[in-house]
Parts: sequence; structure tokens; C-alpha cells
Amino acid sequence: AQKITQTQPGMFVQEKEAVTLDCTYDTSDPSYGLFWYKQPSSGEMIFLIYQGSYDQQNATEGRYSLNFQKARKSANLVISASQLGDSAMYFCAMRQNYGGSQGNLIFGKGTKLSVKP
Amino acid sequence: DTAVSQTPKYLVTQMGNDKSIKCEQNLGHDTMYWYKQDSKKFLKIMFSYNNKELIINETVPNRFSPKSPDKAHLNLHINSLELGDSAVYFCASSQDRTSISYNSPLHFGNGTRLTVT
Repeated sequence: AQKITQTQPGMFVQEKEAVTLDCTYDTSDPSYGLFWYKQPSSGEMIFLIYQGSYDQQNATEGRYSLNFQKARKSANLVISASQLGDSAMYFCAMRQNYGGSQGNLIFGKGTKLSVKP
Repeated sequence: DTAVSQTPKYLVTQMGNDKSIKCEQNLGHDTMYWYKQDSKKFLKIMFSYNNKELIINETVPNRFSPKSPDKAHLNLHINSLELGDSAVYFCASSQDRTSISYNSPLHFGNGTRLTVT
């Protein structure tokens, strides 16, 4: 069955330092996509970065990069040079082609990141 | 030029009432969704529609009825509201042209915070 696990309920990082948010996933579908979303205290869901199961290189978007280790089924989000505005909930999510989910985006429980000045 | 807009932003109502949440997307996407975020921030799919056709109907009470008058709109009607319906409801959309695309991100509206008293 499709599953996303985020084991860190909360994380602290000093401003300007890098931080890694962990995500592991489980699927039997060879075709899937992994996504990270940010939810600030204002509540909106912001799409950050995407990694496809067939992508050979790790995805990067500005200060965000995704450390994709397919054999270990992990898709960790790395935020470089943390800023105060990075304080938010971060969700790892997955879509797959087949199975009962039919392309539905399945979310992990999230990690609350707090950036300290 | 909001991509996915949902109204109202806040909805406070009494048990037993019927209410609706409206959602519109101007991205030209083919698939639209309703997600529920509970008090622990967990996001769970409720419904998805692809080209006005219901694709996913998770284990949601039949008091919840989605309606998609066209590809750009997916409204959620809730009958006989209960205390446990209090949550944040998110509308979302994804591109998914001819079939569900695992590599298309979902774009979310800003959420509707429903409080049932």
C-alpha cells in the first residue's frame, strides 16, 4: 500500500544554516512522483519541489533540493541558508499511477520547522 | 489572478445546518480535488473529479456531496453538519490531460476553515 512517513514532528534550525527534513515512502508502483509542500501559519499549501521516480538527478529549486535515494525509498528535503520565513509545516507527498489511489496525492504527517534568529 | 480560489475562507455554523464551499480554478486543469485537514494537520483526500467525472470517493459520509458543473468548478455541499466536521477543507487541481499524471503537482486553494458549534 502507498504510504509516506515523516518521522520528525518538529525541527529547529539556526538562521542561515542548512536543514534536512526526512521523508520515506512505500509503493509497489514503478511510476510515482514525490512532492514537498510548505504550509506557513497563514494556512495556504505551497508547492516547493518535485522528484519523479525515473529522474536520474536530484531535483533542485533555489534553496530547496531533494535528496532522492530510490533504493532506500527516501526523499529528504534540504533547505539551504535557512531564513526566518522558512518557519512552517512541511509535508512530503506522493502520487502514483496505479492502484486504488488513482493518482491521488498521499501526504505524510508533516514536520514543523522553526528557524531561530 | 488567483489560480485556485475557494470561498468562504471562514465558515462558522451550528450543528444540523447545511452549508456549501465553492471552488474555482483558472489554470485550465482537468482534475480537481477536495482534501480535509484535521486538527493534527493531517491531510486526507475526500474526492477527486477528472473532467467532471468522479474518480475518487474516499470513505466520506454521504452527507458530503461534491458537485462539478464544469471543469473549472468543484463545489462541496455538506448536509446536517456535525461537530466532527470541523476542519480546514482544501480544494486543489492538477493538470492531468488524458490520464492521471503522477508527475503533476496539485495546486491548492487557501483553504476554508469550517467550525461547527
